[in-house]
Amino acid sequence: GAVVSQHPSWVICKSGTSVKIECRSLDFQATTMFWYRQFPKQSLMLMATSNEGSKATYEQGVEKDKFLINHASLTLSTLTVTSAHPEDSSFYICSAGLAGGPRETQYFGPGTRLLVL
Amino acid sequence: AQKITQTQPGMFVQEKEAVTLDCTYDTSDQSYGLFWYKQPSSGEMIFLIYQGSYDEQNATEGRYSLNFQKARKSANLVISASQLGDSAMYFCAMRANFGNEKLTFGTGTRLTIIP
Repeated sequence: GAVVSQHPSWVICKSGTSVKIECRSLDFQATTMFWYRQFPKQSLMLMATSNEGSKATYEQGVEKDKFLINHASLTLSTLTVTSAHPEDSSFYICSAGLAGGPRETQYFGPGTRLLVL
Repeated sequence: AQKITQTQPGMFVQEKEAVTLDCTYDTSDQSYGLFWYKQPSSGEMIFLIYQGSYDEQNATEGRYSLNFQKARKSANLVISASQLGDSAMYFCAMRANFGNEKLTFGTGTRLTIIP
């Protein structure tokens, strides 16, 4: 149980285009999902907390108009990188919390590698 | 504010030996959870072990155990009988309270198992 999927796993796009990344909890419902960004050889940095049915909460320094988050259902959250630029190239990874579970932990998707040319 | 410190950027360990990865934390919360995740080169974050701040016993999960010393604010991960497949990045993380709160990660330790 507690499987989180992400799609796509790899995306290469031209500068100026928008990219949508999906995060799904496959076998549980998640009222809250989290989006992280990881640069090479660095730790995970939280970008935003995605709440089902309400607006996302962004971390300081993260542009909400550039990184659009939609949590349309209890099993799906999407991150859209709008007008992507080369500096947005990174590894994006989502997680979903299994609240109330025996370990009360977060499970991560496999991540999406974004390369903006 | 929460802070996680991992002071070992890299470690090399002989196969079949035990290894301890250090993690210290700082928080003003009374109730919190501590986690260890493994990140192989593929990038996925694999949950290894969880320790609640009020748990009286150290957590164990197979070859993984967490040496929790609350007074010292440390939560070291111990891997027994290391295997080549253990080579990866390891991240310590914490979360305030219980439920869907965000995780704060340390900078990670790259573990390399030598045959």
